[in-house]
Amino acid sequence: DTAVSQTPKYLVTQMGNDKSIKCEQNLGHDTMYWYKQDSKKFLKIMFSYNNKELIINETVPNRFSPKSPDKAHLNLHINSLELGDSAVYFCASSQGGQAPSYEQYFGPGTRLTVT
Amino acid sequence: DAKTTQPTSMDCAEGRAANLPCNHSTISGNEYVYWYRQIHSQGPQYIIHGLKNNETNEMASLIITEDRKSSTLILPHATLRDTAVYYCIVSRMNYGGSQGNLIFGKGTKLSVKP
Repeated sequence: DTAVSQTPKYLVTQMGNDKSIKCEQNLGHDTMYWYKQDSKKFLKIMFSYNNKELIINETVPNRFSPKSPDKAHLNLHINSLELGDSAVYFCASSQGGQAPSYEQYFGPGTRLTVT
Repeated sequence: DAKTTQPTSMDCAEGRAANLPCNHSTISGNEYVYWYRQIHSQGPQYIIHGLKNNETNEMASLIITEDRKSSTLILPHATLRDTAVYYCIVSRMNYGGSQGNLIFGKGTKLSVKP
């Protein structure tokens, strides 16, 4: 069974559109994350989120917003897409909470192309 | 910014040990050394972590110098499937908040050749 899954795997859309990427983890983890990997392969954290707090990387535009309907899901909504948003987006999860976590489990990634 | 320095690329013959170095001279006392790898077109995968002592698991060994300013990841018998970008990361233990977030650098691209 897939531990961290993302849909869709590929997403092609036009500038100005609004899109969402879904993420689900079946590991019972308390904390979930979104990362962006750009064309130069740099992997940067965008958000970390658990039931207590949302930590936003200050460099992330407010067009990006994570939404968590429940502990197992953290979806990424992107408004008014721009060309520079083209990248691979990875979701991840870790135990978090009261127990320390040394391992993050990553999803397979969603390749977003904005035309 | 990443707090580690790694070589950009390395080659290794299949079946031989791959030794990947990492410098982290500014590491703090409560920071761990983590290693992740990213195989082409996949999400990063956790390999191993350590604080002071050397560590070994089914995937690799981690050797940390006594002063903790550098470490080496050892893949004892590299296979073609170990070809990937290997990231050395220094971070606090993660308790679900902002502390302990992983900051990925450029990593080392390891090519295992037949």
